[in-house]
Amino acid sequence: QVQLVESGGGLVKPGGSLRLSCAASGFTLSGYYMTWIRQAPGKGLEWVSYIGNSGTTIYYADSVRGRFTISRDNAKNSLHLQMSSLGADDTAVYYCARAIEARNYFYMDVWGKGTTVTVS
Amino acid sequence: SFELTQPPSVSVSPGQTASILCSGDKLGNKYVSWYQQKPGQSPVLVIYQDSQRPSGIPERFSGSNSGDTATLSISRTQAMDEGDYYCQAWNTTTATVVFGGGTKLTVL
Repeated sequence: QVQLVESGGGLVKPGGSLRLSCAASGFTLSGYYMTWIRQAPGKGLEWVSYIGNSGTTIYYADSVRGRFTISRDNAKNSLHLQMSSLGADDTAVYYCARAIEARNYFYMDVWGKGTTVTVS
Repeated sequence: SFELTQPPSVSVSPGQTASILCSGDKLGNKYVSWYQQKPGQSPVLVIYQDSQRPSGIPERFSGSNSGDTATLSISRTQAMDEGDYYCQAWNTTTATVVFGGGTKLTVL
């Protein structure tokens, strides 16, 4: 079945770096935009970044632009998020999600279970 | 910047209809999606493109969007519907994803 499994979370010191990965199965990754969304403890959902099918279209939230880099490897059915200069505000559960997009809409139809990043 | 506003909490009696609002400037001109998140779980898409239900989502869930307000309605509300609900829209101007702050639904 369609599944997304995140990995790579953990405890990191302020100013440190971490690389998250998301393994996709049950569908062809190259056919979809992919996103990262995070949720700080007790807070709401915050969109982080998305990447287009081929990897040439990339957008970031203002809060992470210049510090985070999204990438994908369609051949390996995987999505990545390289995070650097991490601060306490980056502490969150990070979800990988498949996106359905067109000119007038963009929504996430499949979500992973998330991986926890703690900056302390 | 484009923002979506939701009430922090909504309460409903079992069997009644719950309405969760999401407001934003000219929101009716955009497509809205809704996600349900139960404690300790990942979000689940319950409505997309204002009023479409993904397969597996009960018909009790419906959505509408007009003017500055989108509405998620849950009819015949059950205890299992408790959780946090988030609206989301696509800002075509900036090509970015926007979430509302979330609404906690309590079935009393």
